[in-house]
Amino acid sequence: GQQLNQSPQSMFIQEGEDVSMNCTSSSIFNTWLWYKQDPGEGPVLLIALYKAGELTSNGRLTAQFGITRKDSFLNISASIPSDVGIYFCAGLPNYGGSQGNLIFGKGTKLSVKP
Amino acid sequence: DARVTQTPRHKVTEMGQEVTMRCQPILGHNTVFWYRQTMMQGLELLAYFRNRAPLDDSGMPKDRFSAEMPDATLATLKIQPSEPRDSAVYFCASGLRTGRNTGELFFGEGSRLTVL
Repeated sequence: GQQLNQSPQSMFIQEGEDVSMNCTSSSIFNTWLWYKQDPGEGPVLLIALYKAGELTSNGRLTAQFGITRKDSFLNISASIPSDVGIYFCAGLPNYGGSQGNLIFGKGTKLSVKP
Repeated sequence: DARVTQTPRHKVTEMGQEVTMRCQPILGHNTVFWYRQTMMQGLELLAYFRNRAPLDDSGMPKDRFSAEMPDATLATLKIQPSEPRDSAVYFCASGLRTGRNTGELFFGEGSRLTVL
């Protein structure tokens, strides 16, 4: 089935550093979404992208919809301890019969050293 | 503050017992999804509904799992009989699907199931 490759799987960073993660696919997507999941909670939608090339910010977070429509990245600037968590990318495939079913990446676990 | 509500938040049960998890989607949303999350498999889609009709439950073990939407404000996921391998966090998510399908989903806080 359709899969998203999300990388890196995990990362440790120093507080104040910038973070970058990405998702790639072999197929075209119509929508890219980025979620964050805190321990013991459900994923929370951070940013939604709808057009190829679109660049959207949400505070210190910036995400882009790749021009080829097969990838997306998420950047976090000046990381702080509360950025710790698991970040998931999700995409809505561009093929008939998807019925609006999102495909999720495996997640990037972010740990920040205070 | 609209949110997806799931109950119970935590459930510990013994193998062979029936487990029912409930979800109240965000008012006005017309799609409901059930996901299972484990360390090994990540987020797995079990079933989803649009306008209360089941569209896909191919990710769900049919012999023991069942999902229903008795009305627009309630979705249920039932496991009977439960097994230790069912231990996971089960998430419900809802969304609004219209002519312009944005794909956005909003998740509940999950039901953590432990089957002994």
